[in-house]
Parts: sequence; structure tokens; C-alpha cells
Amino acid sequence: QSALTQPASVSGSPGQSITISCTGTSSDVGSYNLVSWYQQHPGKAPKLMIYEVSKRPSGVSNQFSGSKSGNTASLTISGLQAEDEADYYCCSYAGSSTVVFGGGTKLTVL
Amino acid sequence: QVQLQESGPGLVKPSETVSLTCAVSGYSISSGYHWGWIRQPPGKGLEWIGSVFHSGTTYHNPSLKNRVTISVDTSKNQFSLKLSSVSAADTAVYYCARDQRYDTEYFDYWGQGTLVTVSS
Repeated sequence: QSALTQPASVSGSPGQSITISCTGTSSDVGSYNLVSWYQQHPGKAPKLMIYEVSKRPSGVSNQFSGSKSGNTASLTISGLQAEDEADYYCCSYAGSSTVVFGGGTKLTVL
Repeated sequence: QVQLQESGPGLVKPSETVSLTCAVSGYSISSGYHWGWIRQPPGKGLEWIGSVFHSGTTYHNPSLKNRVTISVDTSKNQFSLKLSSVSAADTAVYYCARDQRYDTEYFDYWGQGTLVTVSS
């Protein structure tokens, strides 16, 4: 069970859109529409932003959207704001009742 | 509002067993749902450790399975993690979370985390 692959960092200017990729395998991301995304500010607990690939929990801004193609899931943040600067983690069901996280991506708002 | 709060020893010696507890408020564990443990080494990413159903059924990360024991105490509305034979590699912030895994999979409520340092 290997961690999902995310870029170490991405950046964007306020108002722009960015996309964070999350690449797994046919045993996890590719086999299940059970990818979730978490936002983590420094020293804080992760916060659920997207579940089941593209669903947003109540209270999460529609700036955040998710998608999946094959073994790769993506998180898109549109209309970047300063407060979006954080670490982002993807997570996928990996079969046999197990879960795997991505290595995390640091988003910098320029 | 569901709230989770981890508690633990903070500092553990190598080769010992660390025990952590997660107290849940705002929801009765015996009513359902799974409950999970996730850890994060300093400066690194998240790692799922395992989850437990209110009935006591457990699921573990295969890479940690032999060292992990997860249990639930519905009378105290809490669940626990025991990690044996710890080493410096187990130094991390340990989070507990509600694990939605009935026909789905995500963690929707998280505790604030508790730092466990393994050092002699």
C-alpha cells in the first residue's frame, strides 16, 4: 500500500485557479469513486473539503471542486484567496477496508 | 456538533507501548459510524493507522497491523489506540476522526491532535 502521489507544491495568484493532482493506481483511485480531499493549515487538524471525488460538505465554498480520470484525481480551487494557502491531502479507499493518503501539496498564494 | 478530543502521555520510551484515547462528545458511539486514527510525523504527510466500528470490528493499515490495537468503549463514549514496540519513527501528531465508511469513505470530524514523542 503506497501513498498516493501529489506534487510537493503549487502556487497561484489571488483570483486565479489552481489544480492539485493525486495519482494512485488501479487498486485505489482507479477502482473506487471514494477520493476525499483535506485542507490543513499550520498547527491545525485537517478539514474535509471534498468527498466521493466531487461532493462538497455543507459549509465548504464552491470555490473547491473535485474530479477524477482513471487513476488520477484532481482538486481545483478557483478564485484563489489568501486564506486558501495551506497543505492539501488527497485520500482514497484502497480496497480490503483500507485507506491511503497522498503525500500532501503545499499551496502558496503569491 | 460532534467533537473529538485525543489524550495521551506525550513522551514514550523506545520499545514501549503508547496508549491514546479519543473522547467523543455530541454523538453516541454506540449509535453507529466508524472511528479512526490517523498520524502525521513532524513536517510530513498523513498516514491512516486504523479504524473501529462501534461493535468492535477493526480495520488496520497493513504496514502497522502487528503493532496496532484499536478498541472502543461505548460506556465511556471513547475509543483507543495502542501502538507497541515504538521507535523514533512513530513520533507524530496522532489524530482521531469519525470515519464515514458505509458505502463511502471519508473523515468528517477530527480531533485537534496529540503529539507523541518517542525518546529515551
